[in-house]
Amino acid sequence: ELKVEQNPLFLSMQEGKNYTIYCNYSTTSDRLYWYRQDPGKSLESLFVLLSNGAVKQEGRLMASLDTKARLSTLHITAAVHDLSATYFCAVDPYNNNDMRFGAGTRLTVKP
Amino acid sequence: ETGVTQSPTHLIKTRGQQVTLRCSSQSGHNTVSWYQQALGQGPQFIFQYYREEENGRGNFPPRFSGLQFPNYSSELNVNALELDDSALYLCASSRRTPGTDTQYFGPGTRLTVL
Repeated sequence: ELKVEQNPLFLSMQEGKNYTIYCNYSTTSDRLYWYRQDPGKSLESLFVLLSNGAVKQEGRLMASLDTKARLSTLHITAAVHDLSATYFCAVDPYNNNDMRFGAGTRLTVKP
Repeated sequence: ETGVTQSPTHLIKTRGQQVTLRCSSQSGHNTVSWYQQALGQGPQFIFQYYREEENGRGNFPPRFSGLQFPNYSSELNVNALELDDSALYLCASSRRTPGTDTQYFGPGTRLTVL
């Protein structure tokens, strides 16, 4: 059975601090996605990682993919309150946009 | 805004009833996927439609069914509603280019089953 596990599930940070969210998955997948979801809202695409060693950065967020370790990380640099949201990783093991999501990491950034 | 629209926004039904949710895909997208997101959980894949045919299905019973129309819009039908069907239902559209395109999600339909 395919499993996508995120760690931690809950994260409370102080503004200005750095932290990393981890996403492990149990089957081969060359693609990994990161999404952001604000309360009561839909999913916003953050990153699409398409190959081993891929690294993408947008503002204070940087995502990386290690397909051999079946691990992706989402690194937060100098967190600000606006980053408070739930972050999901998802894999597409069949390469047909049938995505399997992790449970999400609920991030709270405090002043 | 992703260009993917869903209707209705909210819906309240009672156990045993049937419901139809609708999704219009983003322009140029020919694939629609449906997801169920229970409160506090990640989205769960229900099924995907490509060129009006079901093209993959998650672990959902047959009372969850769907359609895709020639304009690539889609419907999700749920029969014999159960309390556990209460969730946010998301549709996502994409181009049929495996391995290269991302999915864009609509705003969702919040279904409450009483």
